Amino acid sequence: AQKVTQAQTEISVVEKEDVTLDCVYETRDTTYYLFWYKQPPSGELVFLIRRNSFDEQNEISGRYSWNFQKSTSSFNFTITASQVVDSAVYFCALSEKTSYDKVIFGPGTSLSVIP
Amino acid sequence: GAVVSQHPSWVICKSGTSVKIECRSLDFQATTMFWYRQFPKQSLMLMATSNEGSKATYEQGVEKDKFLINHASLTLSTLTVTSAHPEDSSFYICSARDQGAGRTEAFFGQGTRLTVV
Repeated sequence: AQKVTQAQTEISVVEKEDVTLDCVYETRDTTYYLFWYKQPPSGELVFLIRRNSFDEQNEISGRYSWNFQKSTSSFNFTITASQVVDSAVYFCALSEKTSYDKVIFGPGTSLSVIP
Repeated sequence: GAVVSQHPSWVICKSGTSVKIECRSLDFQATTMFWYRQFPKQSLMLMATSNEGSKATYEQGVEKDKFLINHASLTLSTLTVTSAHPEDSSFYICSARDQGAGRTEAFFGQGTRLTVV
């Protein structure tokens, strides 16, 4: 069965600090997709990244970076030089090849960036 | 990019009444859509899979007679919360994938906040 764990329930950092959000997943499939979504207070889900199981290259997009480690089943997300606008709940998610549309979410990490 | 639209964005209804939420894929066809529910400070929990032209598939613990799903066309799925109670108050979000483009990213609607009073 697929499962996503985000051990950090809440994180608070001071603006300009770097912060890493952890994500550990479980799946029996060899082909799967991992996602990160941001959910600001408005509630709308904002897509951040998708990574397939065959691509372990780390990715950087501006202040965001992702570290995918299949050996440890982790897909961690780092925000560099955090800003107040980064305050939101962040969800790591997983979908398996057998049902790409069916996205299973982790419990989420609430990030507060303090000015 | 692909867009999924939900309507209404928020709704308040009285206990015992029914409320319908629409989920539309605006620029692509979706044979499958998904409905999620999110309680305050919790994660999104998959409720059901909506299949165009056939019955929806419900996750364990979700009452199919209470949460009626209809997927009448390739661009529209509806979720009807019947005989709503205050405990049904939640944030409901749908998602769909643009299968025609072979994409694997699920697009989410903006969500519907339901308050039952």
